[in-house]
Amino acid sequence: DGGITQSPKYLFRKEGQNVTLSCEQNLNHDAMYWYRQDPGQGLRLIYYSQIVNDFQKGDIAEGYSVSREKKESFPLTVTSAQKNPTAFYLCASSSPGTGGYEQYFGPGTRLTVT
Amino acid sequence: DQQVKQNSPSLSVQEGRISILNCDYTNSMFDYFLWYKKYPAEGPTFLISISSIKDKNEDGRFTVFLNKSAKHLSLHIVPSQPGDSAVYFCAVLYSGAGSYQLTFGKGTKLSVIP
Repeated sequence: DGGITQSPKYLFRKEGQNVTLSCEQNLNHDAMYWYRQDPGQGLRLIYYSQIVNDFQKGDIAEGYSVSREKKESFPLTVTSAQKNPTAFYLCASSSPGTGGYEQYFGPGTRLTVT
Repeated sequence: DQQVKQNSPSLSVQEGRISILNCDYTNSMFDYFLWYKKYPAEGPTFLISISSIKDKNEDGRFTVFLNKSAKHLSLHIVPSQPGDSAVYFCAVLYSGAGSYQLTFGKGTKLSVIP
């Protein structure tokens, strides 16, 4: 059963702590993406990776970091430098090299920082 | 400045009638257009897409229309069903940029009234 998994569904952290959100895909997609959604807003791109061991900043990368050591995995770390970390985080993947521009999304992680 | 605008934050439609969701974009370089559907606390689901070489694409109850000269696309849902109640996002892409990033609108919340 192919898809994208994100864990956990809900995450709570104290201010000042770093936290890592997991994203795994078994769709054999080359490209992976991280977005954040805030109430009343669209999806804003944090980071993306088109190939293993390479990633690029999106529109709102400050306070976040990523790694892409394996094709299947693209974890996102929300650091203590991120000023407003409470949000709904979405991971996606696509296969643009084969003309597949559609991105497929995971179920999301709701992060609450207090 | 927003590159993709969905000017109606919400829309209510009677069950069985047509739902029309609109999206405007600013950059004529965009050449691929997508619609996503999103339920609360879930990841967006890809619905339908269209490339700039076409002006219409149909998939079951969903049809997307593209008017390149007006930089406008619309999603028609006929007939509308209560299960269609969700937030709909349009997204655009410029395939020549090499980054395959999607730029999303802020969404329109559709309510289908039984």
